[in-house]
Amino acid sequence: NAGVMQNPRHLVRRRGQEARLRCSPMKGHSHVYWYRQLPEEGLKFMVYLQKENIIDESGMPKERFSAEFPKEGPSILRIQQVVRGDSAAYFCASSPPWTQDWEIGNEQFFGPGTRLTVL
Amino acid sequence: AQTVTQSQPEMSVQEAETVTLSCTYDTSESDYYLFWYKQPPSRQMILVIRQEAYKQQNATENRFSVNFQKAAKSFSLKISDSQLGDAAMYFCAYRSASYSGGGADGLTFGKGTHLIIQP
Repeated sequence: NAGVMQNPRHLVRRRGQEARLRCSPMKGHSHVYWYRQLPEEGLKFMVYLQKENIIDESGMPKERFSAEFPKEGPSILRIQQVVRGDSAAYFCASSPPWTQDWEIGNEQFFGPGTRLTVL
Repeated sequence: AQTVTQSQPEMSVQEAETVTLSCTYDTSESDYYLFWYKQPPSRQMILVIRQEAYKQQNATENRFSVNFQKAAKSFSLKISDSQLGDAAMYFCAYRSASYSGGGADGLTFGKGTHLIIQP
């Protein structure tokens, strides 16, 4: 069972360009989470999605950022008109559907991250 | 909103010794989960240990154990017999036990503690 896949691993964009980050969850996982890690910081929650639904986007910047998780294909985090402050590592995590197995606690499995550099 | 505080930006320990990493959190909820994640230089987030708030017994995973003090809202990680491979950033994280959209909420992370292992 492959883990969470993210691509690209490294992405370089010039100011004003668009960045598209992809995340393929683990097989059987229907929930995806995106986090951003600025240099020397912890991860900050951005958005939580189910297939075709945004459940919680309380951590998403109001402008330029959007996320989707279509019925088919990977989840996409899209950043329009990137600025230098968007330079960070972006992590995706996935979890299975809710379970009554409290021991599992619906662990989130993380991908390797995409490091975005804005020139 | 929940907050997680790690007051030790960096810790150093001699190989084979024991080290304790501190974490405090703030929440008004009674049910939640707490986690310690390890992030080595590869940047992959690795779950080290989890604790369910309703459990009084402290979680243990091999050389890793926690001291969970619910009333004090404290969740420290003890690493026994430190090994060179333990060198990494360690992040404490909080997650509500509530579920929305059929899945768990996003994680709230602390800023991390950089653990150095001296040979």
